[in-house]
Amino acid sequence: EAGVVQSPRYKIIEKKQPVAFWCNPISGHNTLYWYLQNLGQGPELLIRYENEEAVDDSQLPKDRFSAERLKGVDSTLKIQPAELGDSAVYLCASSLGLAGDENEQFFGPGTRLTVL
Amino acid sequence: DQQVKQNSPSLSVQEGRISILNCDYTNSMFDYFLWYKKYPAEGPTFLISISSIKDKNEDGRFTVFLNKSAKHLSLHIVPSQPGDSAVYFCAAPFPFSNDYKLSFGAGTTVTVRA
Repeated sequence: EAGVVQSPRYKIIEKKQPVAFWCNPISGHNTLYWYLQNLGQGPELLIRYENEEAVDDSQLPKDRFSAERLKGVDSTLKIQPAELGDSAVYLCASSLGLAGDENEQFFGPGTRLTVL
Repeated sequence: DQQVKQNSPSLSVQEGRISILNCDYTNSMFDYFLWYKKYPAEGPTFLISISSIKDKNEDGRFTVFLNKSAKHLSLHIVPSQPGDSAVYFCAAPFPFSNDYKLSFGAGTTVTVRA
């Protein structure tokens, strides 16, 4: 069974340019998460989707970041314009959306963004 | 506000010896804890978990211990193998939330020397 797929794996852009990341969750997983991982730190949640609805985007910098999950499957995360401080790994994860401790999250390999 | 803390950024251990990774948390309402393992250029993968109703959970070479009074948990890997070289994250879901929002520690990089 395929895991969480993310693309691109690496992206290098100049500051002020836009960038987009794509995530395909595990089939049947209703819940999708986007995390930001800075160097030397653990992942931090940016946004969580239940099907196509964003139910927790409190950590998403809405002035430059946006996300969508049309049809409740694939998701894209966009940054426009990118800043130097956005250089990080962007992880996508998905889960079945079960209640309680059984809601294991499965992570994709991440997209490493470098903003020059 | 970092509610899950891993104060040791790195650990080097001889193959065959025990690796002990530590994690502290500040929110006394946390009732479930997870350890994730991450190889370079890959996403974190679930390793082992423990519920607050237990003080120990064992899975093969991996054992997690929970000390609720000290708000401390540890992961023991015995014996350590070269394939265990990775970054290990401690995590806990925010309590009373159905959204399973995880708070991660900063990670500990384990290097197992042959």
